[in-house]
This record gives sequence, structure tokens and C-alpha cells, in this order.
Amino acid sequence: QKEVEQNSGPLSVPEGAIASLNCTYSDRGSQSFFWYRQYSGKSPELIMFIYSNGDKEDGRFTAQLNKASQYVSLLIRDSQPSDSATYLCAVKGGFSNYQLIWGAGTKLIIKP
Amino acid sequence: EAGVAQSPRYKIIEKRQSVAFWCNPISGHATLYWYQQILGQGPKLLIQFQNNGVVDDSQLPKDRFSAERLKGVDSTLKIQPAKLEDSAVYLCASSLGGAGENEQFFGPGTRLTVL
Repeated sequence: QKEVEQNSGPLSVPEGAIASLNCTYSDRGSQSFFWYRQYSGKSPELIMFIYSNGDKEDGRFTAQLNKASQYVSLLIRDSQPSDSATYLCAVKGGFSNYQLIWGAGTKLIIKP
Repeated sequence: EAGVAQSPRYKIIEKRQSVAFWCNPISGHATLYWYQQILGQGPKLLIQFQNNGVVDDSQLPKDRFSAERLKGVDSTLKIQPAKLEDSAVYLCASSLGGAGENEQFFGPGTRLTVL
């Protein structure tokens, strides 16, 4: 069964600190990994995606993949109150082929 | 660039009634998705279109849900008859399609409440 698991949170982080969000996936053949941000009452929006061959950094955001342990992380440096949202992990490839398999999301709260 | 448009934004109906949602994707986007997002859960793909053909509808409850994308542009999703458990946000998304990774752009969603 194809699954993507996330801790629902809430994860509370002080402003200016590093927020670390994790996502585990069951399909070892997964090839691409997406992080979406969803503000309360709004639609998901893409933050970044990575392939199975490497990590990526974009501004304050870094996505890292640990293939051996089958998890992907999103690090947010210098956390801001505006980063408070639910972060959804989605995985594609392997058995799911073209379809994104979504986690339930982790709620992040940045405390001023 | 205009985003994905959806209507209505909110809908309240009684169980066993029917309801329809409309989506207009970003111009030029070949792939269109309908998702159901229940509160506290991630989006669940209901159906995916590539132009006007169905790519995946394996999770669409076909006894009550139907969707079409005539002419490969706009799409409608219908529920008939609605059940209490259909209360959710229905998200439409579109992407360019084709090879490689294509970002999915989401519309504002339609919040459905079934009483």
C-alpha cells in the first residue's frame, strides 16, 4: 500500500529558529518529492520539489532526502510568523507512477 | 497570468441532493485534477484529465460522482446523490502536463457542507 506519513503536529518553533519537518514514504521506488504549504482556509501552494538524486536549497528552505530510511525533510531557516501553516508532503513515482500521493500535513506554528 | 478559477466557493445542501462544481484551469494547461480534501487530511485525487481524456479515476466513487472535461478546457464535477461524508473542500488543480515535473496550481476550492 502506497503511503506518505507526516506527524500532524502542531510543531511549535520560536521565531528565528530552524523548523524541521519530516515525511516518510513507503514506496521505495518513489522518484520525486514535493513540499506544499497550505494556509488555513487556503489552497496548497508548491514550495519546492526534489528528485531522488539530490537535495535542494531555495532561500530559507532546504529539502533533503534520505533514501535509505525513506524520509524527506524540509528545513526552514530563520522561521517567520508568516511561515505558520500546514506543510503537505507529496510523493510521486514508483508504483504511483504519475500520481501524487499526499501526506496529511504537519501544522507549523512560529511563535513571535 | 490568471489562476485556476472555481465556482461556487461555498455550497450547503441536504443529503440526497445533487451538486455541481466548475473549474477553469490556467490557459494552456493540459492536465486537470479534481481533489477532495477532508478537514485534517491531505488532498485525495478523485480524477485526472489529460486534455479531454481521463488518465486516472480509480478513486472516484462512480456510483455518485461524475466528471467531465469537454473540449479539454473547463471541467465540471457532479455529486448525485450527496452523502454526509461528502462534506469536504473540492480542489481543482492544473498543470502543463507532458514530460518532467510539472507544478500543480490549485484553485481556491469549493467548500461543500452536506446536512
